[in-house]
Amino acid sequence: EAGVTQSPTHLIKTRGQQATLRCSPISGHTSVYWYQQALGLGLQFLLWYDEGEERNRGNFPPRFSGRQFPNYSSELNVNALELEDSALYLCASSLAFRQHLNEKLFFGSGTQLSVL
Amino acid sequence: DAKTTQPNSMESNEEEPVHLPCNHSTISGTDYIHWYRQLPSQGPEYVIHGLTSNVNNRMASLAIAEDRKSSTLILHRATLRDAAVYYCILRDEAGANSKLTFGKGITLSVRP
Repeated sequence: EAGVTQSPTHLIKTRGQQATLRCSPISGHTSVYWYQQALGLGLQFLLWYDEGEERNRGNFPPRFSGRQFPNYSSELNVNALELEDSALYLCASSLAFRQHLNEKLFFGSGTQLSVL
Repeated sequence: DAKTTQPNSMESNEEEPVHLPCNHSTISGTDYIHWYRQLPSQGPEYVIHGLTSNVNNRMASLAIAEDRKSSTLILHRATLRDAAVYYCILRDEAGANSKLTFGKGITLSVRP
C-alpha cells in the first residue's frame, strides 16, 4: 500500500512568486497535517485538515494557506515567497480524528522548497 | 499545547541501551505523550505513545514518571540505524485544538 506521497520533490522559486505543494494521504486517511522544517528550527506546525475542514493553524502569516479536496488530498499554497520560506515542507496523514483520537501520524518525504 | 524540553543531543554505543529523556512539567491530565523519530533525509516516523502506564512495542519502551512530568524513551539495544532525531510531543486526548508541535528534538548519535 502506498504511503503519503508529496509532489514535487524539489521546487525552486524566486522571491515574490507563488508555490503550490501537493499531498496525497494514505488510502483511508482523512486527516492531513502540514509542517515546515527550516534548517536548525525543528518541525513547525502549519495546518491541519480533517475530513475537509481546517481544524487548526500554526503561527504563520496568511500568505500560507491550503485546502483539502473531497478525496482528502491536500494543497499548500505559499504566496509572495520570501527567502526565509526556503525549507522542507512535510505532509502527514492519519485516520479521521473524530473516530480515532490520538491516532499516529504517517509522514511523507517532503517537498524541498528553495526561494532564490 | 503543553511544552516539552529535551536535551539537544546524546551519544550512545552500538548494542547498548539508550535512555532519551523528555520533560513536560506542564502536562495536563488528558495529554498523551508521543515519540517520533526522523532518520536522515526522511520524514518523521511514529515510535510509541502512552498516557500513564509504561508501554512497550517492537521499536522501543516508554517509561512515564508517576507524576507524568517526565518520560523516557528506551531503545534496548541501539543500532547504527537508530541514529536519528527523536521528538517527544504531547497531544491532548480531545485534540481539537492540538497543534502537534514537534520542536527541535534530541539528536542521537550511535558509535560503532
